[in-house]
Amino acid sequence: NAGVTQTPKFRVLKTGQSMTLLCAQDMNHEYMYWYRQDPGMGLRLIHYSVGEGTTAKGEVPDGYNVSRLKKQNFLLGLESAAPSQTSVYFCASSNNGYEQYFGPGTRLTVT
Amino acid sequence: EDQVTQSPEALRLQEGESSSLNCSYTVSGLRGLFWYRQDPGKGPEFLFTLYSAGEEKEKERLKATLTKKESFLHITAPKPEDSATYLCAVQAGGGSQGNLIFGKGTKLSVKP
Repeated sequence: NAGVTQTPKFRVLKTGQSMTLLCAQDMNHEYMYWYRQDPGMGLRLIHYSVGEGTTAKGEVPDGYNVSRLKKQNFLLGLESAAPSQTSVYFCASSNNGYEQYFGPGTRLTVT
Repeated sequence: EDQVTQSPEALRLQEGESSSLNCSYTVSGLRGLFWYRQDPGKGPEFLFTLYSAGEEKEKERLKATLTKKESFLHITAPKPEDSATYLCAVQAGGGSQGNLIFGKGTKLSVKP
């Protein structure tokens, strides 16, 4: 099992550009999450999903959108990137809403 | 407001020198407390879940304990490969499903 995978690993965007981050899990987990990690801030929840076709806002949702069309995939979109969205993004999944298993991360720089 | 505070921010140990990391929390109805290990450039790796005061979990040189206000991660006779950032997170009752509140972590360095 690959566990949780994220694509791409690195990306550089210019202000105003858009992109989509892909998260895939092969553990048949119901719950999926998107976090961002910034120095001195810890991990903060952006959006999450409790099942296929559902999404909900987390602590810092502004400027991001998500979709969960298939159970194994969770997409995070940035419609108009801003320098404040420079961060490391982590996807996680859980089968019971308790223990979460994280992917390797995507390092995004917005110039 | 639900909050998690970890101390110290950084800890430097000699190989074999045992110590403890602290995670104090204020949360309305604790559903679970989680410890993760994070190596540089990688995602957090799940270590333990603790659900109620008095509970303890062990894995190799690590032992996690839980009280009503805090959790400790005890490291016995650490080795250089234990060097990493250790993250604590709590899940509050009554909130959204599975949402974790993370502390900022303790960066542990173990010198040979």
